[in-house]
Amino acid sequence: DTAVSQTPKYLVTQMGNDKSIKCEQNLGHDTMYWYKQDSKKFLKIMFSYNNKELIINETVPNRFSPKSPDKAHLNLHINSLELGDSAVYFCASSRTSVSYEQYFGPGTRLTVT
Amino acid sequence: AQSVAQPEDQVNVAEGNPLTVKCTYSVSGNPYLFWYVQYPNRGLQFLLKYITGDNLVKGSYGFEAEFNKSQTSFHLKKPSALVSDSALYFCAVRDTETGANNLFFGTGTRLTVIP
Repeated sequence: DTAVSQTPKYLVTQMGNDKSIKCEQNLGHDTMYWYKQDSKKFLKIMFSYNNKELIINETVPNRFSPKSPDKAHLNLHINSLELGDSAVYFCASSRTSVSYEQYFGPGTRLTVT
Repeated sequence: AQSVAQPEDQVNVAEGNPLTVKCTYSVSGNPYLFWYVQYPNRGLQFLLKYITGDNLVKGSYGFEAEFNKSQTSFHLKKPSALVSDSALYFCAVRDTETGANNLFFGTGTRLTVIP
């Protein structure tokens, strides 16, 4: 009964390709997030989304786009992949209020060759 | 600007000894502070949080953290370290400025508990 799940766990692809990472949460949360963890383990927010609003970190290239088919899913689509996109991507979810902790998925390791 | 600093990249402690992982923060307004742990090839796991109330908060696996407003710190502590506590620890502060509610993370501290 995984609370936050991501697929695939590993993704190896070539530069220029388009790929998607799926995220699902079964916690009934109304806010979902995508984070990027680089090779130095630094974690950075990419997107925050609830059913009302998408908030984008201004440093995220527009090649990255989150898509939410419903409240339980927030998929990450990446166009024209670049070498620098190689990282581990984490999905998370929480209730909307600032006082609630976030629950993280297991991560997707993306390698662009 | 909101930020979190973890001044130590690496902390080594002998098993059975107390451990401290340091964190300082910078926010406007009231801080919402969190500690997470990451085991190898795993996602982040929530340990504890400070929202309001008692400055000493207790969390999972025997960890606790002390909120110190004057020093803008939120250090993670455990009275007696276990080898299984070896992992990467992240301090985080909630974004309360943009309305996004996301977390700003520190750079992480790798804790190694030596048997």
